[in-house]
Amino acid sequence: EVQLLESGGGLVRPGGSLRLSCTTSGFMFSNYAMGWIRQAPGKGLEWVSPISGSGRSTYYPDSVKGRFTISRDNSKNTLYLQMNSLRVEDTAVYFCARYSRTLDGLDYWGQGTLVSVSS
Amino acid sequence: EIVLTQSPGTLSLSPGERATLSCRASESVSNYLAWYQQKPGRAPRLLIYDASTRATGVPARFSGSGSGTVFTLTISTLEAEDFAVYYCQQRSDWPGTFGGGTKVEIK
Repeated sequence: EVQLLESGGGLVRPGGSLRLSCTTSGFMFSNYAMGWIRQAPGKGLEWVSPISGSGRSTYYPDSVKGRFTISRDNSKNTLYLQMNSLRVEDTAVYFCARYSRTLDGLDYWGQGTLVSVSS
Repeated sequence: EIVLTQSPGTLSLSPGERATLSCRASESVSNYLAWYQQKPGRAPRLLIYDASTRATGVPARFSGSGSGTVFTLTISTLEAEDFAVYYCQQRSDWPGTFGGGTKVEIK
């Protein structure tokens, strides 16, 4: 059974840092691109960052570029998101998700972890 | 960046009715479009990929159509569990963008 479990969310002050983790099981992790998607309270879905299976290819939208870093450890089947210089507008539920090339879509998602940025 | 515009923002319908949701792209995405369903407090669920192919386990009452810039998600007969928010996502570029969502609520 495919499982994705996020951790590391919490309350942080503006300018602070957090590191999110997404622990996975039930599939060959290194064979899949993965990503972080966030959802601000009452809002829609926003890409935070995807990463290729090898880890060599990443992408960041302007909203997080230079502040967030996505990485993965294929030996530990774990995806990470290092978030620095956090802003109030980064407050959201952060989901990790698996990208299926076969389905050309995000076929498995974690339950999400809440990041709250507030003074 | 390709922008996806979903309409309407909210659809108020009764169980048993037909729901028609629209997703329009700012430029052609061919058939690289997916639909997701999200219920309150839950992660999104992949419903449709490649514009018209149902993901595993998705009931046949869900259907997707369209290509290029205009896409439609149809729920033929609404069941109680179908009241949720629906998002489209294009995968023409990496990593793709999401539409703003359509909420299907009980009338």
